[in-house]
Amino acid sequence: AQKVTQAQTEISVVEKEDVTLDCVYETRDTTYYLFWYKQPPSGELVFLIRRNSFDEQNEISGRYSWNFQKSTSSFNFTITASQVVDSAVYFCALREYGNKLVFGAGTILRVKS
Amino acid sequence: EAQVTQNPRYLITVTGKKLTVTCSQNMNHEYMSWYRQDPGLGLRQIYYSMNVEVTDKGDVPEGYKVSRKEKRNFPLILESPSPNQTSLYFCASSLSGTGSYNSPLHFGNGTRLTVT
Repeated sequence: AQKVTQAQTEISVVEKEDVTLDCVYETRDTTYYLFWYKQPPSGELVFLIRRNSFDEQNEISGRYSWNFQKSTSSFNFTITASQVVDSAVYFCALREYGNKLVFGAGTILRVKS
Repeated sequence: EAQVTQNPRYLITVTGKKLTVTCSQNMNHEYMSWYRQDPGLGLRQIYYSMNVEVTDKGDVPEGYKVSRKEKRNFPLILESPSPNQTSLYFCASSLSGTGSYNSPLHFGNGTRLTVT
């Protein structure tokens, strides 16, 4: 069965520090998709990025970057020079064939000024 | 504006009193789903629907019902709510079918339900 593990329950950093959120997944499918979502204190879920299992290229978007490694079944998310506005709960998710999307437990990120 | 609309945002009810949380999307998405969010557990899928009149159980379906009579609507029904159903609920939608599995889910703003 598919499973997503976010081992870091909560992380606290000081503004401008870099921070990496870990995500490890389990799946028996060869075709799957990985996602990251952000949930700010206001509560809505905001889509950040998706990656399919055939594309191991890392991606950078501004201060955000993602490192996908099939060899270790990981899809880690790094925020460079963190800001207070980055404070949120971040969810990693896995989608297999059939559309079921399974979420990790989430990592609470607190960025202090 | 493309969106998923849930109502109500907040709901306080008593044990056993039937309730419905509505969900509507205007993106013509085939796939819709309900999740509940609980601390330390992330989001867990309750039910999902691949298209009209097609629904299936997720990971935590007990105590819930859904229906998909129209493409845009996917209401969540609690026939006899209990305190362990106190949670934050999200409705979501996306494209479906082969080639669409990388489509991100679009989420509603959530419904915070309290059952006393």
